[in-house]
Amino acid sequence: GAGVSQSPRYKVAKRGQDVALRCDPISGHVSLFWYQQALGQGPEFLTYFQNEAQLDKSGLPSDRFFAERPEGSVSTLKIQRTQQEDSAVYLCASSLDRGVYGYTFGSGTRLTVV
Amino acid sequence: AQTVTQSQPEMSVQEAETVTLSCTYDTSESDYYLFWYKQPPSRQMILVIRQEAYKQQNATENRFSVNFQKAAKSFSLKISDSQLGDAAMYFCAYRSADSGYALNFGKGTSLLVTP
Repeated sequence: GAGVSQSPRYKVAKRGQDVALRCDPISGHVSLFWYQQALGQGPEFLTYFQNEAQLDKSGLPSDRFFAERPEGSVSTLKIQRTQQEDSAVYLCASSLDRGVYGYTFGSGTRLTVV
Repeated sequence: AQTVTQSQPEMSVQEAETVTLSCTYDTSESDYYLFWYKQPPSRQMILVIRQEAYKQQNATENRFSVNFQKAAKSFSLKISDSQLGDAAMYFCAYRSADSGYALNFGKGTSLLVTP
């Protein structure tokens, strides 16, 4: 596609519910990144994929967070048993290389846990 | 982890004027990359400009330029001939050249452009 597509754009979840956020990167982009952006803050790194391999998951805040990219294209970020502190915008980005030239970001999914 | 500091939560500029946004960072590395991203209300982060630490020449992209002071660990963004469409959150970011893949972002500066 022309850009990085994320869905849904908005998600409201009840505390304790599981959610799945989807990212469709630019076709042919090897690298895929997930970031979490809390209100009034800059984005914080969650995880990085090179093709289907998850090379860095050091930013995932707890074992309730899980990401996958099984065929090296579309990625899903799953959050189990959501908590109020999980409320944030989740941004996905992709790049042709390892990201040294910058990424192309999607418009994010705003998750609100009530 | 490298820390990126943006000390100006909000800035205001009149249309057609020039504004400078500040960014400092803390690192012990000698090779790295620095970025400025713009985030309008649509939430999509848009790359404005990029600087490689080993290049002494300051990067320029049309009306956007940087003042990169490596010894001072400073990376400010200058926007010339400001336009209404420049209004957005601006984030400074650091990326190591050798370790890790993450961009480390500052907290952002909200830029208001007045007619």
